[in-house]
Amino acid sequence: KQEVTQIPAALSVPEGENLVLNCSFTDSAIYNLQWFRQDPGKGLTSLLLIQSSQREQTSGRLNASLDKSSGRSTLYIAASQPGDSATYLCAVEYGNKLVFGAGTILRVKS
Amino acid sequence: GAGVSQSPSNKVTEKGKDVELRCDPISGHTALYWYRQSLGQGLEFLIYFQGNSAPDKSGLPSDRFSAERTGGSVSTLTIQRTQQEDSAVYLCASSLAGGWGQPQHFGDGTRLSIL
Repeated sequence: KQEVTQIPAALSVPEGENLVLNCSFTDSAIYNLQWFRQDPGKGLTSLLLIQSSQREQTSGRLNASLDKSSGRSTLYIAASQPGDSATYLCAVEYGNKLVFGAGTILRVKS
Repeated sequence: GAGVSQSPSNKVTEKGKDVELRCDPISGHTALYWYRQSLGQGLEFLIYFQGNSAPDKSGLPSDRFSAERTGGSVSTLTIQRTQQEDSAVYLCASSLAGGWGQPQHFGDGTRLSIL
């Protein structure tokens, strides 16, 4: 069964800290891996997409890595800000569908 | 359009009624997906469209659920004889093409509450 696990389930940090969110998946036959952000009552905003042949992607203060052989990805957020507070979801594409983790709820305190 | 549009944003209905949820994908996107987000189950895939055909319906939870897409654009998800366990947020996404590493872009969802 294709499963995606995210650790930690929740994280509270002071403003300015660098932090790492973890994602693991059981089936390594992936097309790509996508990190999303979800604000309360809203849909999903795509942050980064890593193709299966890539090792990492960067966008501003965000950096995502992918180790397909070990079934792991990390999302690194540098110099966190209160506006980063949201739920972060990891999703793995298998063919024509995304399989999601349960998410990490992030709170950045000012 | 600028993004994926879903309507209604909220729907409250009585158990046993039928409901229709609408999704308007990004213009030019041939692939369209429906997902469901519920407490305790997380985000689950329901169905995938490529053009007007649905090659993958594997996530539909029962035969009360159906979906169609017309003109390669708008899609409607229909739930018949609604049950309380159908209460969830239904999210629609679209991408340039199905699979092959294209990012999926999501709408804000329809929050469905069954009384």
